[in-house]
Amino acid sequence: SQTIHQWPATLVQPVGSPLSLECTVEGTSNPNLYWYRQAAGRGLQLLFYSVGIGQISSEVPQNLSASRPQDRQFILSSKKLLLSDSGFYLCAWGLWFYGYTFGSGTRLTVV
Amino acid sequence: AQRVTQPEKLLSVFKGAPVELKCNYSYSGSPELFWYVQYSRQRLQLLLRHISRESIKGFTADLNKGETSFHLKKPFAQEEDSAMYYCAPPQGGSEKLVFGKGTKLTVNP
Repeated sequence: SQTIHQWPATLVQPVGSPLSLECTVEGTSNPNLYWYRQAAGRGLQLLFYSVGIGQISSEVPQNLSASRPQDRQFILSSKKLLLSDSGFYLCAWGLWFYGYTFGSGTRLTVV
Repeated sequence: AQRVTQPEKLLSVFKGAPVELKCNYSYSGSPELFWYVQYSRQRLQLLLRHISRESIKGFTADLNKGETSFHLKKPFAQEEDSAMYYCAPPQGGSEKLVFGKGTKLTVNP
């Protein structure tokens, strides 16, 4: 069966520090992969999505970037974190017409 | 661009009462819509899809093209239905879903 792993679960980082969040999927090949940010009162904001290795689409210009070095690995990064980057980050895989499967999320607090 | 509006941030009902979570969309084509749910300390998960015409955990959602709505309904709410609910249409012609801001449902005993 397909599973999705996301880590770390929580992270506290100082302003200006780098960020790397990782997401991996098992049990499927060439999945569509997504990064969302969930903020209270703002819902789920799509940040990046990828339909294949090295193919990244950015939805919101901001301080973050994404990479897909392997078929089932999706990484969210930042060179220098801002306070406004705090939030709950969710990775997902799937096809929209079948439904997404979400990871357990990473709570990022930038201090 | 496809947009979805969930007008209620918070919704509170009593156990056994009917519940309706509203979702309105804007889409020029034939929409396919989804409801996702996030229970406390659990992952966000798919609840139901319009295309499947299904009923999950007693919930149904009818697509009303005239009103451009896809409201989620349950005739008798249960305490375990308390959760965050998101309506999601696809971004037409692409590989992604756009989520509404969500409605937090609280079912009181």
